[in-house]
Amino acid sequence: GQSLEQPSEVTAVEGAIVQINCTYQTSGFYGLSWYQQHDGGAPTFLSYNALDGLEETGRFSSFLSRSDSYGYLLLQELQMKDSASYFCAVRDDAGNNRKLIWGLGTSLAVNP
Amino acid sequence: DGGITQSPKYLFRKEGQNVTLSCEQNLNHDAMYWYRQDPGQGLRLIYYSQIVNDFQKGDIAEGYSVSREKKESFPLTVTSAQKNPTAFYLCASSAQEVQPQHFGDGTRLSIL
Repeated sequence: GQSLEQPSEVTAVEGAIVQINCTYQTSGFYGLSWYQQHDGGAPTFLSYNALDGLEETGRFSSFLSRSDSYGYLLLQELQMKDSASYFCAVRDDAGNNRKLIWGLGTSLAVNP
Repeated sequence: DGGITQSPKYLFRKEGQNVTLSCEQNLNHDAMYWYRQDPGQGLRLIYYSQIVNDFQKGDIAEGYSVSREKKESFPLTVTSAQKNPTAFYLCASSAQEVQPQHFGDGTRLSIL
């Protein structure tokens, strides 16, 4: 089957660096994306990796290794506002359908 | 500014009643999606549409129905057959590449 695994919870302190891992199992692969969701809010797109390597966007970076079916989201200089849930997702192209398969999310708590 | 508008923000349903959640986008996206999110859980796909006048069932389509008569609109009806409809409903859209997906602010549905 097709699935994604990510840790359910991560805790860190302000100013620290945290890494949220995501491993996936899919029949095909068209890229790994990351979304952030604050409590009560809608998910917002953070980053997308189609090729191996590191993509950097400000304090956030995302990494992909297709040979390992693995990626991570790296958050640097953590701020209290980074407390949220983070979801990884991959595109599922099984058959003629195009949709995303989602991880269950990682709840990040940033403490003072 | 382009975006996705969901309405209403809060909705209450009586037993045996059908209710319709609205989703409108002006991003000129071909694909639209409906997700259900329960407290502390990830996103589960209800229905999605890759093009006007076509839609496919997601993972939890039972008790729901949709239509896609216009590119901009993808309403979701929660029927009386859905026995546990209380949840946060999110609508999203994307270009044909599926990623990234852009989300509306969601509708919270509760049972009276």
